[in-house]
Amino acid sequence: SQKIEQNSEALNIQEGKTATLTCNYTNYSPAYLQWYRQDPGRGPVFLLLIRENEKEKRKERLKVTFDTTLKQSLFHITASQPADSATYLCALDDGGSQGNLIFGKGTKLSVKP
Amino acid sequence: GAGVSQTPSNKVTEKGKYVELRCDPISGHTALYWYRQSLGQGPEFLIYFQGTGAADDSGLPNDRFFAVRPEGSVSTLKIQRTERGDSAVYLCASSSRRSVLGGNEQFFGPGTRLTVL
Repeated sequence: SQKIEQNSEALNIQEGKTATLTCNYTNYSPAYLQWYRQDPGRGPVFLLLIRENEKEKRKERLKVTFDTTLKQSLFHITASQPADSATYLCALDDGGSQGNLIFGKGTKLSVKP
Repeated sequence: GAGVSQTPSNKVTEKGKYVELRCDPISGHTALYWYRQSLGQGPEFLIYFQGTGAADDSGLPNDRFFAVRPEGSVSTLKIQRTERGDSAVYLCASSSRRSVLGGNEQFFGPGTRLTVL
């Protein structure tokens, strides 16, 4: 069956360091992979989308990589800040006409000052 | 409106009762999605509308769940004979029509927290 895993439930890092979150999937061939941020009591907020033929995408302090051979995406936040503390969700999109997403459980990131 | 809105924000009901959850998508967005999120889990797809029609309802857990979008804008998720296991946050998202390149981002509402006692 299709499976999507995010490497850890929680990740604690020191302010200023780079946070690296991992998303692995099996039995799936997504055309796109998206990353969302979710704060407590809120809905997810879109951050980045990367296509299967793209290796890397950047947006300000965020960087996403997509390796379809390893079936893995890495999400990096450089120069992390306490305000980056949230749960980060990866989501797979097969590129079909429907567009519904398959989400991982998320990784809760805590950035300590 | 500026974003996706959902009402009510919280709903407490008793086992066996009927509930309706409402979603107002971003104006002009033709695609609308319902997801369910349990504690510690990611959102789980329920149903997708393109315009007025339910294009994919494969995520609905059983026939107690039903959703409508009669005019292609506001959507209502209806749950009959609620069970304690239905307790979760119900999220609605909208998106513009998928482009040729695909991969449209989805804009989520704040969710409705449903508690079935």
